[in-house]
Amino acid sequence: VQLVESGGGLVQPGRSMKLSCAASGFTFSHYYMAWVRQAPTKGLEWVALISTGGDNLYYRDSVRGRFTGSRDNAKSTLYLQIDSLRSEDTATYYCLRVNSGYGMDVWGQGTSVTVSS
Amino acid sequence: EIVLTQSPTTIVASPGEKVTITCRGSSSVSYMYWYQQKSGASPKLWIYDTSRLASGVPNRFSGSGSGTSYSLTINTMETEDAATYYCQQWSSSPWTFGGGTKLELK
Repeated sequence: VQLVESGGGLVQPGRSMKLSCAASGFTFSHYYMAWVRQAPTKGLEWVALISTGGDNLYYRDSVRGRFTGSRDNAKSTLYLQIDSLRSEDTATYYCLRVNSGYGMDVWGQGTSVTVSS
Repeated sequence: EIVLTQSPTTIVASPGEKVTITCRGSSSVSYMYWYQQKSGASPKLWIYDTSRLASGVPNRFSGSGSGTSYSLTINTMETEDAATYYCQQWSSSPWTFGGGTKLELK
């Protein structure tokens, strides 16, 4: 069971970025998936939740309208599109599996996003 | 938004010592979840449904609580337990985490 994020890097304020998360070792389409971020030296912050079919999306207020979660179950891949990037979006972004009644039980290694001019 | 406040923020413990971390919510939650994060690594699910240990978690760990007050206890501290621990709730959106408790080895 594994989650591998990619797509992070250094980006200028106002630009866009799309993060990917490749899942393996489990039936991806059976699980809700989520994104959690962690700013440097800070705690964890939930960002988005994506339903099994990708048709129900939930976001924290501070990112709603700029972040778009999606998934491709045929490719077992989760995505996070981030638009109008701000300095406060600088963080490591973790992809994770949501196991109902059990918790966020599988985490990726994270991908780092730095927003700076 | 339910705010989770962990205490203490930092704790220094000796091997063999009993350790307790507290997580208090601004509103009642049904269950509490705990995650362990070691330096430079991803968080790991540690305790779910308030008191159930995730796979591979040593039984010196335990969780308890209800309503707005929850705790994680290590019966006898071991070297490998040094890490940051976060509580988390998903009773109410947005899901929130506590600020973390850094457990250091004396």
